[in-house]
Amino acid sequence: QKEVEQNSGPLSVPEGAIASLNCTYSDRGSQSFFWYRQYSGKSPELIMSIYSNGDKEDGRFTAQLNKASQYVSLLIRDSQPSDSATYLCAARYNQGGKLIFGQGTELSVKP
Amino acid sequence: DGGITQSPKYLFRKEGQNVTLSCEQNLNHDAMYWYRQDPGQGLRLIYYSQIVNDFQKGDIAEGYSVSREKKESFPLTVTSAQKNPTAFYLCASSSPGQLYGYTFGSGTRLTVV
Repeated sequence: QKEVEQNSGPLSVPEGAIASLNCTYSDRGSQSFFWYRQYSGKSPELIMSIYSNGDKEDGRFTAQLNKASQYVSLLIRDSQPSDSATYLCAARYNQGGKLIFGQGTELSVKP
Repeated sequence: DGGITQSPKYLFRKEGQNVTLSCEQNLNHDAMYWYRQDPGQGLRLIYYSQIVNDFQKGDIAEGYSVSREKKESFPLTVTSAQKNPTAFYLCASSSPGQLYGYTFGSGTRLTVV
Protein backbone atom coordinates (compact mmCIF):
# COMPACT_ATOMS: atom_id res chain seq x y z
CA GLN A 1 0.00 0.00 0.00
CA LYS A 2 1.54 3.25 -1.14
CA GLU A 3 1.07 5.96 1.49
CA VAL A 4 1.89 9.61 1.98
CA GLU A 5 1.84 10.91 5.54
CA GLN A 6 1.51 14.47 6.77
CA ASN A 7 0.82 16.01 10.17
CA SER A 8 -2.71 17.37 10.03
CA GLY A 9 -1.84 20.40 12.17
CA PRO A 10 -2.95 23.04 12.57
CA LEU A 11 0.49 24.58 12.26
CA SER A 12 0.44 28.16 13.50
CA VAL A 13 3.22 30.64 12.70
CA PRO A 14 3.46 34.41 13.12
CA GLU A 15 3.49 36.67 10.09
CA GLY A 16 6.98 36.98 8.62
CA ALA A 17 8.23 33.67 10.04
CA ILE A 18 9.27 30.54 8.12
CA ALA A 19 6.60 27.83 7.90
CA SER A 20 7.93 24.29 7.55
CA LEU A 21 5.61 21.58 6.24
CA ASN A 22 6.70 17.96 6.19
CA CYS A 23 5.69 14.82 4.35
CA THR A 24 6.93 11.21 4.28
CA TYR A 25 6.17 8.55 1.72
CA SER A 26 6.27 4.78 1.92
CA ASP A 27 7.10 3.71 -1.62
CA ARG A 28 10.75 4.02 -2.66
CA GLY A 29 9.60 3.76 -6.28
CA SER A 30 7.98 7.20 -6.07
CA GLN A 31 9.71 9.44 -8.57
CA SER A 32 8.09 12.86 -8.36
CA PHE A 33 6.49 14.93 -5.66
CA PHE A 34 4.06 17.80 -5.61
CA TRP A 35 2.80 20.39 -3.15
CA TYR A 36 -0.73 21.76 -3.52
CA ARG A 37 -2.34 24.62 -1.64
CA GLN A 38 -6.07 24.43 -0.90
CA TYR A 39 -8.01 27.35 0.49
CA SER A 40 -11.16 26.52 2.44
CA GLY A 41 -13.99 25.61 0.06
CA LYS A 42 -11.76 25.80 -3.02
CA SER A 43 -9.97 23.27 -5.18
CA PRO A 44 -6.24 22.47 -4.79
CA GLU A 45 -3.73 24.46 -6.82
CA LEU A 46 -0.24 23.25 -7.66
CA ILE A 47 2.50 25.40 -6.10
CA MET A 48 5.66 23.28 -6.33
CA SER A 49 6.97 20.09 -7.91
CA ILE A 50 10.28 18.33 -7.25
CA TYR A 51 11.94 15.25 -8.77
CA SER A 52 15.61 15.33 -7.72
CA ASN A 53 17.26 15.19 -4.32
CA GLY A 54 18.00 18.60 -2.86
CA ASP A 55 16.28 21.94 -2.84
CA LYS A 56 14.13 23.71 -5.40
CA GLU A 57 13.25 27.35 -4.88
CA ASP A 58 10.43 29.41 -6.38
CA GLY A 59 9.93 32.82 -4.85
CA ARG A 60 9.11 32.44 -1.16
CA PHE A 61 8.66 28.67 -1.53
CA THR A 62 11.39 26.03 -1.25
CA ALA A 63 10.71 22.33 -1.73
CA GLN A 64 13.22 19.85 -0.33
CA LEU A 65 13.51 16.17 -1.28
CA ASN A 66 15.52 13.46 0.45
CA LYS A 67 14.91 10.14 -1.29
CA ALA A 68 17.13 8.17 1.09
CA SER A 69 14.95 9.24 4.02
CA GLN A 70 11.74 9.25 1.90
CA TYR A 71 11.04 12.76 3.06
CA VAL A 72 9.68 15.85 1.32
CA SER A 73 9.26 19.28 2.83
CA LEU A 74 7.96 22.69 1.88
CA LEU A 75 9.36 25.88 3.41
CA ILE A 76 7.45 29.13 3.12
CA ARG A 77 9.60 32.17 3.90
CA ASP A 78 8.16 35.49 5.11
CA SER A 79 4.80 33.83 5.76
CA GLN A 80 1.75 35.99 5.10
CA PRO A 81 -1.84 35.65 6.38
CA SER A 82 -2.79 34.88 2.75
CA ASP A 83 -0.70 31.70 3.03
CA SER A 84 -3.22 30.33 5.55
CA ALA A 85 -4.58 27.21 3.84
CA THR A 86 -4.29 23.44 3.81
CA TYR A 87 -1.17 22.13 2.06
CA LEU A 88 -1.38 18.75 0.36
CA CYS A 89 1.68 16.65 -0.40
CA ALA A 90 1.44 14.13 -3.27
CA ALA A 91 3.74 11.46 -4.70
CA ARG A 92 3.69 9.98 -8.20
CA TYR A 93 4.92 6.43 -8.39
CA ASN A 94 5.66 5.95 -12.06
CA GLN A 95 5.27 7.60 -15.38
CA GLY A 96 1.61 8.18 -16.06
CA GLY A 97 0.65 6.85 -12.66
CA LYS A 98 -1.86 8.46 -10.40
CA LEU A 99 -0.87 10.71 -7.52
CA ILE A 100 -1.07 9.50 -3.94
CA PHE A 101 -2.14 12.38 -1.66
CA GLY A 102 -1.45 12.95 2.00
CA GLN A 103 -4.20 14.11 4.33
CA GLY A 104 -2.96 17.69 4.25
CA THR A 105 -1.50 20.08 6.84
CA GLU A 106 -3.53 23.11 7.88
CA LEU A 107 -1.36 26.23 8.14
CA SER A 108 -2.46 29.35 10.00
CA VAL A 109 -0.38 32.53 9.72
CA LYS A 110 -1.23 35.00 12.46
CA PRO A 111 -0.85 38.78 11.82
CA ASP B 1 -7.76 29.80 -21.98
CA GLY B 2 -7.03 26.16 -21.29
CA GLY B 3 -8.58 24.67 -18.23
CA ILE B 4 -10.85 22.13 -16.64
CA THR B 5 -14.50 22.97 -16.00
CA GLN B 6 -16.80 21.30 -13.53
CA SER B 7 -20.53 21.88 -13.40
CA PRO B 8 -22.69 22.53 -11.59
CA LYS B 9 -20.92 24.25 -8.71
CA TYR B 10 -23.66 23.21 -6.28
CA LEU B 11 -26.00 20.23 -6.64
CA PHE B 12 -28.80 18.96 -4.46
CA ARG B 13 -29.91 15.34 -4.63
CA LYS B 14 -33.04 13.78 -3.27
CA GLU B 15 -32.95 10.36 -1.69
CA GLY B 16 -33.00 7.58 -4.33
CA GLN B 17 -32.03 9.89 -7.18
CA ASN B 18 -29.12 9.54 -9.59
CA VAL B 19 -27.21 12.70 -10.43
CA THR B 20 -24.43 13.38 -12.94
CA LEU B 21 -21.50 15.72 -12.39
CA SER B 22 -19.88 17.16 -15.48
CA CYS B 23 -16.13 17.51 -16.07
CA GLU B 24 -14.70 18.94 -19.30
CA GLN B 25 -11.08 19.84 -20.12
CA ASN B 26 -9.47 21.58 -23.09
CA LEU B 27 -5.89 20.93 -22.00
CA ASN B 28 -5.49 17.92 -24.32
CA HIS B 29 -4.69 15.80 -21.27
CA ASP B 30 -4.92 12.04 -21.64
CA ALA B 31 -5.68 11.18 -18.01
CA MET B 32 -8.65 12.29 -15.93
CA TYR B 33 -9.58 11.60 -12.32
CA TRP B 34 -12.48 11.96 -9.89
CA TYR B 35 -11.89 12.54 -6.18
CA ARG B 36 -14.18 12.96 -3.22
CA GLN B 37 -13.29 15.20 -0.28
CA ASP B 38 -15.18 15.18 3.01
CA PRO B 39 -14.84 18.04 5.52
CA GLY B 40 -11.42 18.13 7.13
CA GLN B 41 -10.24 15.11 5.17
CA GLY B 42 -7.94 14.35 2.28
CA LEU B 43 -8.75 13.35 -1.27
CA ARG B 44 -10.13 9.89 -1.97
CA LEU B 45 -9.94 8.51 -5.51
CA ILE B 46 -13.24 7.37 -7.01
CA TYR B 47 -12.41 6.55 -10.65
CA TYR B 48 -9.71 7.39 -13.15
CA SER B 49 -9.17 7.09 -16.88
CA GLN B 50 -5.88 7.19 -18.75
CA ILE B 51 -7.29 6.83 -22.28
CA VAL B 52 -10.61 7.18 -24.05
CA ASN B 53 -13.05 4.28 -23.59
CA ASP B 54 -11.11 2.91 -20.63
CA PHE B 55 -11.35 3.63 -16.91
CA GLN B 56 -10.41 2.00 -13.61
CA LYS B 57 -11.93 1.94 -10.14
CA GLY B 58 -10.23 3.89 -7.42
CA ASP B 59 -10.42 3.33 -3.69
CA ILE B 60 -14.11 4.20 -3.21
CA ALA B 61 -15.89 3.35 -6.50
CA GLU B 62 -18.98 1.71 -4.99
CA GLY B 63 -22.13 3.71 -5.76
CA TYR B 64 -20.48 5.69 -8.56
CA SER B 65 -20.17 5.23 -12.33
CA VAL B 66 -18.22 7.01 -15.08
CA SER B 67 -17.79 7.06 -18.83
CA ARG B 68 -14.98 8.30 -21.09
CA GLU B 69 -16.38 8.53 -24.61
CA LYS B 70 -14.36 11.63 -25.50
CA LYS B 71 -10.89 12.74 -24.47
CA GLU B 72 -12.28 16.03 -23.19
CA SER B 73 -15.07 14.68 -21.02
CA PHE B 74 -15.26 12.45 -17.94
CA PRO B 75 -18.72 12.65 -16.29
CA LEU B 76 -19.38 11.08 -12.89
CA THR B 77 -22.78 9.65 -11.94
CA VAL B 78 -23.61 9.37 -8.26
CA THR B 79 -26.16 6.59 -8.06
CA SER B 80 -28.81 5.89 -5.44
CA ALA B 81 -26.56 3.06 -4.23
CA GLN B 82 -24.16 5.65 -2.78
CA LYS B 83 -25.61 6.01 0.71
CA ASN B 84 -23.60 9.00 1.89
CA PRO B 85 -22.96 11.17 -1.17
CA THR B 86 -22.77 14.58 0.53
CA ALA B 87 -19.23 15.77 -0.21
CA PHE B 88 -17.04 18.04 -2.35
CA TYR B 89 -16.24 16.36 -5.69
CA LEU B 90 -13.09 17.26 -7.58
CA CYS B 91 -12.20 16.40 -11.14
CA ALA B 92 -8.57 16.55 -12.29
CA SER B 93 -6.58 15.92 -15.43
CA SER B 94 -2.93 15.42 -16.28
CA SER B 95 -0.49 14.65 -19.05
CA PRO B 96 1.42 11.39 -18.83
CA GLY B 97 4.94 11.50 -17.48
CA GLN B 98 6.43 11.99 -14.05
CA LEU B 99 6.95 15.71 -14.49
CA TYR B 100 3.28 16.57 -14.44
CA GLY B 101 0.97 17.07 -11.53
CA TYR B 102 -2.78 17.36 -11.78
CA THR B 103 -4.82 20.34 -12.81
CA PHE B 104 -8.02 20.47 -10.79
CA GLY B 105 -11.43 21.81 -11.66
CA SER B 106 -13.21 24.16 -9.26
CA GLY B 107 -15.28 21.35 -7.76
CA THR B 108 -18.94 20.44 -7.29
CA ARG B 109 -20.49 20.49 -3.83
CA LEU B 110 -23.18 17.81 -3.62
CA THR B 111 -25.75 17.82 -0.84
CA VAL B 112 -28.47 15.26 -0.14
CA VAL B 113 -31.79 16.86 0.80
